[in-house]
Amino acid sequence: QKEVEQNSGPLSVPEGAIASLNCTYSDRVSQSFFWYRQYSGKSPELIMSIYSNGDKEDGRFTAQLNKASQYVSLLIRDSQPSDSATYLCAVNRGGNNRKLIWGLGTSLAVNP
Amino acid sequence: EPEVTQTPSHQVTQMGQEVILRCVPISNHLYFYWYRQILGQKVEFLVSFYNNEISEKSEIFDDQFSVERPDGSNFTLKIRSTKLEDSAMYFCASSLYGGNEQFFGPGTRLTVL
Repeated sequence: QKEVEQNSGPLSVPEGAIASLNCTYSDRVSQSFFWYRQYSGKSPELIMSIYSNGDKEDGRFTAQLNKASQYVSLLIRDSQPSDSATYLCAVNRGGNNRKLIWGLGTSLAVNP
Repeated sequence: EPEVTQTPSHQVTQMGQEVILRCVPISNHLYFYWYRQILGQKVEFLVSFYNNEISEKSEIFDDQFSVERPDGSNFTLKIRSTKLEDSAMYFCASSLYGGNEQFFGPGTRLTVL
């Protein structure tokens, strides 16, 4: 069973639209959830972190967490061509466990 | 804005050779990590380091790998005898607390010939 799953895409949206990215995880005791953006050939760049159920907003980004459904999502409002990248979902189990478990990522293309 | 730095950006080596990848974590961070990403695959955890010792390691991190914090700023990953399958991007990351947000360096592309 895959630990963190994402739809690989590509997800294509027009400029100005809302992009919705989804992630599910298998370890029910997971505590911390992160969205990273990765441009081709570059390192992951942290966009959002979320630790409790509900929504968390930061600028054009909103992360949503539902621990009962083991589901975390990222909404990007007013999508820009510069948002075109791969979005990685990463999960931490918490406690003495420091490592991040990663999804394969969803490729997003924002078309001008 | 403080950032994680890594050197070199690209390392080419022959199979069986030793390589050392270097990282300077964010200065007030307490936890340090190495990850790797083979082209087209997921980011994989290798090791975490806290209080001058390994706190967790993956099954990838076998006896060929070691980490060290030789001084107050550097954090290194050594691969003793490189294999072809070690070719990947190696990322160093740091966080203020465990389980907290991890910030990544730009990576070292390791190519083993």
